[in-house]
This record gives sequence, C-alpha cells and structure tokens, in this order.
Amino acid sequence: EAGVVQSPRYKIIEKKQPVAFWCNPISGHNTLYWYLQNLGQGPELLIRYENEEAVDDSQLPKDRFSAERLKGVDSTLKIQPAELGDSAVYLCASSPDSGTDTQYFGPGTRLTVL
Amino acid sequence: DQQVKQNSPSLSVQEGRISILNCDYTNSMFDYFLWYKKYPAEGPTFLISISSIKDKNEDGRFTVFLNKSAKHLSLHIVPSQPGDSAVYFCAARIGGSARQLTFGSGTQLTVLP
Repeated sequence: EAGVVQSPRYKIIEKKQPVAFWCNPISGHNTLYWYLQNLGQGPELLIRYENEEAVDDSQLPKDRFSAERLKGVDSTLKIQPAELGDSAVYLCASSPDSGTDTQYFGPGTRLTVL
Repeated sequence: DQQVKQNSPSLSVQEGRISILNCDYTNSMFDYFLWYKKYPAEGPTFLISISSIKDKNEDGRFTVFLNKSAKHLSLHIVPSQPGDSAVYFCAARIGGSARQLTFGSGTQLTVLP
C-alpha cells in the first residue's frame, strides 16, 4: 500500500514570495490533515478535511495561508506571501473513515524562507 | 500552554536495556493516547496507542502505561535496539473531538550499540 505522498520535499524561497505544497493521501482515506512542525516541537494541526470539506481550520492563519482539497482526494496548501517565521516542516497526514485515531503521515516538506 | 509535555528532549540507552520515555498531560478531557516514532527526513509513524479505560497496552517490545490520576503515560521499549533510535512523540485526543491530536515536543532516543 502506497503511503502519503508529499511534494516538494524541500523548498527554499525568499520572503514575500508565494509557495505551495501538494499532498496525496493514502487511497481510500477520506480524512486529510495539514500540520506545521517547528524545529524541536511536535506537529501542530493547521487544517483537517473530511472529504472535500474543511471541518477544522481554526488554527490556519487565513490572512496568508489557504488550502483546498478539490474532489476530496489530493490537497494543496499555499502560503502567500511567505514570512521568515514560516520556515518549518509542513506535514500532511490521512486517516480512514472508520473512526480510528491513527493518522498516517507523509515525509513532509521542509520550507526555508530567506 | 502545552497540554502534552515531554520534559526530556533526549535519552541515551545501551542496546539490550530498557528505554523509558515519559509524557505528562494537563487536560483531563484527553481519553486516547498515541505514540509516534520519527526518523530523520521522514514523517512520524504510528507505534502504539492506549485508551483511557486501560492502564496498559503491549505490542511486542513496546508497552505503554497510563496513570490517569497522575496524568502521566510512559512508553517502555524492551529490549532496546539501535534501530529504535528516533524521535518519539506522545499525542493525545480529547474525547468526542473527532481525531484532533495534540502532540508533545518529542524525545530523541539514542540506543548505543
């Protein structure tokens, strides 16, 4: 079974530039999550999707961050414009619909903002 | 305000010995707890979990203990192997909140050969 796929794995941009991250969840997983992980910290939830609906985006900084999950499969997280403090690892995870709390993580995208 | 705390950033253990990783939480509404393991340049992978109705769950070399009165859980790895060297994250879920996990800051375990 293929795992959660994320791209790119690494991204270096200058501040004020836009950036986008892509995630393809495990086939059949209807729940998709985007997390932010700062150095030395645990993952922090940004947004959770149930199919194509964002059911929890309370932690997403909506002034510069946006996300979409068209057709309820893969998802894109965008930052525009990026700030120095956005440098972090952005993790995508998915889980099946059966009520399990086990989330399966992708390898993440390491963003560096210069 | 960190609701899930892993106070030891790092731990070194000799191969074959027991590794004990600790996690404390403050929110009494947490009813389900998980441990994830993370290797460099990879995402966290699920290791073991425990419901608040239990005080112990075992899976091979890994055992998680939950002490609800102390709001404390621990992960025991016996015997420890060099391949267990990774960052271990404790995570907790609030009952009824449908899959929202709160993670601790992680503990780097190094198993020395």
